[in-house]
Amino acid sequence: GQNIDQPTEMTATEGAIVQINCTYQTSGFNGLFWYQQHAGEAPTFLSYNVLDGLEEKGRFSSFLSRSKGYSYLLLKELQMKDSASYLCAVVNQAGTALIFGKGTTLSVSS
Amino acid sequence: DGGITQSPKYLFRKEGQNVTLSCEQNLNHDAMYWYRQDPGQGLRLIYYSHIVNDFQKGDIAEGYSVSREKKESFPLTVTSAQKNPTAFYLCASRDKGQPQHFGDGTRLSIL
Repeated sequence: GQNIDQPTEMTATEGAIVQINCTYQTSGFNGLFWYQQHAGEAPTFLSYNVLDGLEEKGRFSSFLSRSKGYSYLLLKELQMKDSASYLCAVVNQAGTALIFGKGTTLSVSS
Repeated sequence: DGGITQSPKYLFRKEGQNVTLSCEQNLNHDAMYWYRQDPGQGLRLIYYSHIVNDFQKGDIAEGYSVSREKKESFPLTVTSAQKNPTAFYLCASRDKGQPQHFGDGTRLSIL
């Protein structure tokens, strides 16, 4: 089977840096995605990792270690609009669909 | 503009009734997906389709049905057999090798 774990909630202040961790157990590995979801809205794609290492995209970076079954999403220079849920998802063993974690709700305060 | 359209945004159903949620995309994507999201939960896969006239059950298909008669359309029917249908339903599509893109969702409530 497949299991994905992320913290339920995190808080941070404007301008700070926050790291959201995701650990996964899968029978095979075909890639890991991070999505952002504001309350009541659709998830939007942030990043995709399939090889080990860091992928940087503006204020957001995502890291993957396949040997450790571990990823993190790093958000720099936090803004109030970054308050949202962040969903970690891995491609299923058949490579046909995504398996999502429960998401981490990030609250950014001034 | 290209995108994924889900309608309606809010839907109410009486107990014992079937209801169909619409999902249309004009992105020419082959693959389409339906997910259910409950409060504090991640997205759970209901059904998916990678090609017209073919679809597969996801993790929580019981009480749901789908059809894929056209590439652009992947409607989801919530049947009376679904005992707890109140949820936020999300449709997604993707091109090969690309991430999934989501519609704005339909929030279904039972009267």
